[in-house]
Amino acid sequence: AAGVIQSPRHLIKEKRETATLKCYPIPRHDTVYWYQQGPGQDPQFLISFYEKMQSDKGSIPDRFSAQQFSDYHSELNMSSLELGDSALYFCASSPRGQGDYEQYFGPGTRLTVT
Amino acid sequence: GEDVEQSLFLSVREGDSSVINCTYTDSSSTYLYWYKQEPGAGLQLLTYIFSNMDMKQDQRLTVLLNKKDKHLSLRIADTQTGDSAIYFCAEMDAGNMLTFGGGTRLMVKP
Repeated sequence: AAGVIQSPRHLIKEKRETATLKCYPIPRHDTVYWYQQGPGQDPQFLISFYEKMQSDKGSIPDRFSAQQFSDYHSELNMSSLELGDSALYFCASSPRGQGDYEQYFGPGTRLTVT
Repeated sequence: GEDVEQSLFLSVREGDSSVINCTYTDSSSTYLYWYKQEPGAGLQLLTYIFSNMDMKQDQRLTVLLNKKDKHLSLRIADTQTGDSAIYFCAEMDAGNMLTFGGGTRLMVKP
């Protein structure tokens, strides 16, 4: 079965650089969620999109922005990167518009800021 | 705000049952989930339960929900070494956001 695809899988950036993470949801899933998992931490919700509109906002820094495109893929843009942004970034998708609230997670993008 | 708590560590012998516990505080939780995370890997959805149910069974997994006490548990029958991982419980609020517990590291000894 198709799963959530995230790219890149690994990314190394320097402080103050920018990064763009991409997420391709499971086909026919209309909702995308972004989570950040720091080393040894539990995942923290950042932001979600439903039908290309921002749905909910969590602990996402102002330096980050995200959007969902017409093909339902989503991009998380991160600017002025800081060392503390080093983490695993997960994208999850769900077919919420069909009343299904299971969130399926992608493999994650490991971002290292040096 | 929401708070989800789990014990940090559980060790069992292969073939025994494992019970991982979780407590939460948000009374408006709609769904409660169990995810498994192996080292360096993503989060694998194991099972979930709707908040108006008290039990769900799926093969070796049994989820029990005590809504009054806001207590969720995951029982893994006949635990295998491949079950060794970190298990996260998570609750979904009315806004469809997941709040995760800190994770329970399950170690299965042969």
